[in-house]
Amino acid sequence: QKEVEQDPGPLSVPEGAIVSLNCTYSNSAFQYFMWYRQYSRKGPELLMYTYSSGNKEDGRFTAQVDKSSKYISLFIRDSQPSDSATYLCAMRANTGNQFYFGTGTSLTVIP
Amino acid sequence: NAGVTQTPKFRVLKTGQSMTLLCAQDMNHEYMYWYRQDPGMGLRLIHYSVGEGTTAKGEVPDGYNVSRLKKQNFLLGLESAAPSQTSVYFCASSRQGGVSNQPQHFGDGTRLSIL
Repeated sequence: QKEVEQDPGPLSVPEGAIVSLNCTYSNSAFQYFMWYRQYSRKGPELLMYTYSSGNKEDGRFTAQVDKSSKYISLFIRDSQPSDSATYLCAMRANTGNQFYFGTGTSLTVIP
Repeated sequence: NAGVTQTPKFRVLKTGQSMTLLCAQDMNHEYMYWYRQDPGMGLRLIHYSVGEGTTAKGEVPDGYNVSRLKKQNFLLGLESAAPSQTSVYFCASSRQGGVSNQPQHFGDGTRLSIL
């Protein structure tokens, strides 16, 4: 079983829709949770991070962590064509330097 | 301000050949990482370094070696390339462990094909 599971999609939505992206994980030691956005032929860029459980909002993006269910989500409100990319979740325990990444969900926002 | 620069961007090798991938960062970051990204596998950590002169193994280190002789550079070597090493390789750096105010900054990758 992989440490982190993420539905690869692809996901296609109309402009202005609310997008929900999700990851599940198996390691209860994970405390740091991140979302990266990766455009085609580019490196990942950090979008959001949260520590432990709870919500975090940044503009149109909201990250949620539910540690009891081992489930994290990224919501994108008022989605734009420029949001079309692959979204990667990543997580890490308190100790150690290794990050564990999901496989990524491909999102297309149609104008 | 270039951030993280990877050289080369593309390369085709024959089985058994050797090569070195170069990662350079201009942000004075302590931590540097090498990942490979494969379809359906996500990003997997190969090796990492917590400072000049240090290296450590990640999740998939076999067949690779690394060196961090200078703080700004992190080299990934393939001594005898195998087709299973065909992948996109990403380098990343961070000021510390890569969370909170110290996110990992990624380069744009090196696309490597082994024939």
